[in-house]
Order: sequence, then structure tokens, then C-alpha cells
Amino acid sequence: SAVISQKPSRDICQRGTSLTIQCQVDSQVTMMFWYRQQPGQSLTLIATANQGSEATYESGFVIDKFPISRPNLTFSTLTVSNMSPEDSSIYLCSVDGVSGRADEQYFGPGTRLTVT
Amino acid sequence: AQSVTQPDIHITVSEGASLELRCNYSYGATPYLFWYVQSPGQGLQLLLKYFSGDTLVQGIKGFEAEFKRSQSSFNLRKPSVHWSDAAEYFCAASNDYKLSFGAGTTVTVRA
Repeated sequence: SAVISQKPSRDICQRGTSLTIQCQVDSQVTMMFWYRQQPGQSLTLIATANQGSEATYESGFVIDKFPISRPNLTFSTLTVSNMSPEDSSIYLCSVDGVSGRADEQYFGPGTRLTVT
Repeated sequence: AQSVTQPDIHITVSEGASLELRCNYSYGATPYLFWYVQSPGQGLQLLLKYFSGDTLVQGIKGFEAEFKRSQSSFNLRKPSVHWSDAAEYFCAASNDYKLSFGAGTTVTVRA
């Protein structure tokens, strides 16, 4: 499986500001995914990021609020814009598995975001 | 609508005892099925997966899961629990590349 790192691991931000989260993989992958895990909740897919194309967002998530970049096959960023306390969550990136199956995903350690 | 249900929010088990976590899915066709574990402050680790074939799947850390089509279930089991198994366990399903997660089951291990 791939080794995935995220930066920052945690942050405390003021409302109205933006935070960019980085996801780095140690091997080239086709698909990268961004999830949100609100306190005490399960994971919800925000968007899918493929290199060379715009990210595909799930219902309830929009590009203006969560812009995503995917400049190459090993890196992606998620920005949480104009933050409010409701954005306090763990944000996780994942990648498709080495078997080539997009639904066999491996996850990064997550970024714990607190908005005050 | 496609969904994954984990009926048990919290399970407490004694160290050395057996563990079973329930998972049911509701999909038009049989999805691909996964179990993940999330230890405190950690990301998700894939325990095992089912795509097709043998309905009893072996995973890492001594876990296994059994797929039962007739019951739309994919329950996770471990014969003897260790204190390090205390964590949050998520069942997930997919019939495209998108994973849908259950709400999770928190496992507490008592000495």
C-alpha cells in the first residue's frame, strides 16, 4: 500500500480565514479523494481529484468553499475557505489502491481542524 | 438509496474474548465491501476487503469477515481481542469508485 502524509496534522484557525491542507503520496496514483469526518461522525466524501482535470464534487460540497488542486500524480491540496466553526472536522485524503481498484482506498493520517 | 448500516454504536469486550461487529448494506447489486479501523488520533487502516469469491475473508491483525448475500451482511470477527484492538471500526461499501461508510462502531476493551 502507498504511504500517505498530510500537512498540517492539526490546526486551530479563526473564522473567516482559509486553510490549505496538503496530501503527499510516495508513489504515483490515479485518483485521490478528500473526506470530511465531523466530530463523532463517519466519513463523507467531499470530492475526487484526478490529475489534469477539475475535481468532481459530491452533493453538498462546492468548489468555492473547498477548492482542490491536483498538480501531479503524487500530490493534492484541499483548501477550506472562509471557515466557520461548522468546518471543525478531521479532513482525510485517500488514494486508490495499488491493485488499480479505485474503491480500494488507503488513507492519510488526517488533518484535525478546529475553527474558533 | 445506497447505504451501509452498523447497528452497534458501542461494544465493550473483555480482553481475550471474541468480537463480532455487524454490518448491513442496502445496494441494488452486491457492492464491494470493506472494513477499516481508526485508532485514536489516527487515519483509517484497511483491515480486509471482499470483491467476489470465497465469502470468508481473512484480513490483517487476526480479523476475518463473512459475506452473506441472503442477509446483505458483512460482519467482522476476531476470535480473541487484544487491548490494542480498542478503536473505531468502519464498514464501507462501493459499487463504483465511491466509498460509502457506516456510522462506525466504537470498541472498548476491558482488562
